[in-house]
Amino acid sequence: DTAVSQTPKYLVTQMGNDKSIKCEQNLGHDTMYWYKQDSKKFLKIMFSYNNKELIINETVPNRFSPKSPDKAHLNLHINSLELGDSAVYFCASSPRGVAASYEQYFGPGTRLTVT
Amino acid sequence: DQQVKQNSPSLSVQEGRISILNCDYTNSMFDYFLWYKKYPAEGPTFLISISSIKDKNEDGRFTVFLNKSAKHLSLHIVPSQPGDSAVYFCAASTQGGSEKLVFGKGMKLTVNP
Repeated sequence: DTAVSQTPKYLVTQMGNDKSIKCEQNLGHDTMYWYKQDSKKFLKIMFSYNNKELIINETVPNRFSPKSPDKAHLNLHINSLELGDSAVYFCASSPRGVAASYEQYFGPGTRLTVT
Repeated sequence: DQQVKQNSPSLSVQEGRISILNCDYTNSMFDYFLWYKKYPAEGPTFLISISSIKDKNEDGRFTVFLNKSAKHLSLHIVPSQPGDSAVYFCAASTQGGSEKLVFGKGMKLTVNP
């Protein structure tokens, strides 16, 4: 039974298109995250939501817009895709609490390729 | 600016021996540290963590050591097993902060049978 799931697993699209990646967690966690792993393999946080409220918004182009319809879902919508958006995007979740929240549970990743 | 550094990209060890993975950090505000393990085509999975009030935390074959004065932590795996072959990420955070984790670049461990 998958704890954090993402769809699609692979996404190939052309520059200028708009695409969405969906994330769902069935762990009952309050906090969800989006990370980007670029070609240099760095895993960097993009956004974090707690109970549908945005709490972390790193310096990400406003072409990226997260949406949390409920605390079990955090989707990532990307407008006007660019070549540099090609990366692996990971969704994660964590329980509330000072120490527990650091132990984040990751989805399998979505490999986005922009051509 | 890399606040968490894993300077060695890879390590190869023989099964049964000890694996030592190193991590350095620059931000003195970090006070909680974690190690994640990642297999190909999967997301990272939490392995072990340590708070800055401790200098050692052990969980089975895995032990994390923290040297705050040197801003250095290490993960020891003993004995190493072929199933430990994966990419290991070091991560750090500040308690009471926004629950943001800062990750290192990762280090590929290969355990040879």
